[in-house]
Amino acid sequence: DAGITQSPRYKITETGRQVTLMCHQTWSHSYMFWYRQDLGHGLRLIYYSAAADITDKGEVPDGYVVSRSKTENFPLTLESATRSQTSVYFCASSGQGSSYNSPLHFGNGTRLTVT
Amino acid sequence: KQEVTQIPAALSVPEGENLVLNCSFTDSAIYNLQWFRQDPGKGLTSLLLIQSSQREQTSGRLNASLDKSSGRSTLYIAASQPGDSATYLCAVPDSSYKLIFGSGTRLLVRP
Repeated sequence: DAGITQSPRYKITETGRQVTLMCHQTWSHSYMFWYRQDLGHGLRLIYYSAAADITDKGEVPDGYVVSRSKTENFPLTLESATRSQTSVYFCASSGQGSSYNSPLHFGNGTRLTVT
Repeated sequence: KQEVTQIPAALSVPEGENLVLNCSFTDSAIYNLQWFRQDPGKGLTSLLLIQSSQREQTSGRLNASLDKSSGRSTLYIAASQPGDSATYLCAVPDSSYKLIFGSGTRLLVRP
């Protein structure tokens, strides 16, 4: 089925561990985004990508790394997880940038707990 | 810096009632505005996208309006149903291809 899938759905890890969250979309959308959602802060952009091999920082990029070697995949890596990174992470994609009239499509999220 | 505000934060209505959700933004120079729905434990689903040149957009029982000059958008839900219970978020692009989201309105439609 066409869509955007995230894995895993749930992840528990320890402080200091490296964790990678996966995101895969089947629409061949150019733009992909990583958001985190926290109570009291709403949705905040971590990183985004306009195309394969093009990435840029969002509002809260510290402690995260992204790559985009293929259009359909946009993994997010926490290099050394901290408790403050406990959150729900959403991947999203769109055919064009947000300034254009292209709806944003979200995955179902990864709930990450750092102990 | 663009800021997006949604009021009220929560709303509870009886089934069948028509209701309005509000969204305001500080910078009126927007390209578009999107309304999303989020069910518990799920991602966001795009409901409506209003282009800056449009005044409103309709999809079924949903109607979204946009008044750029006043920095406001409303989402009107007609004949509400329990299945409409969810959190509704609005979002506008900033100048660099990313969306700024409001904090959402949590809607409960009581049977």
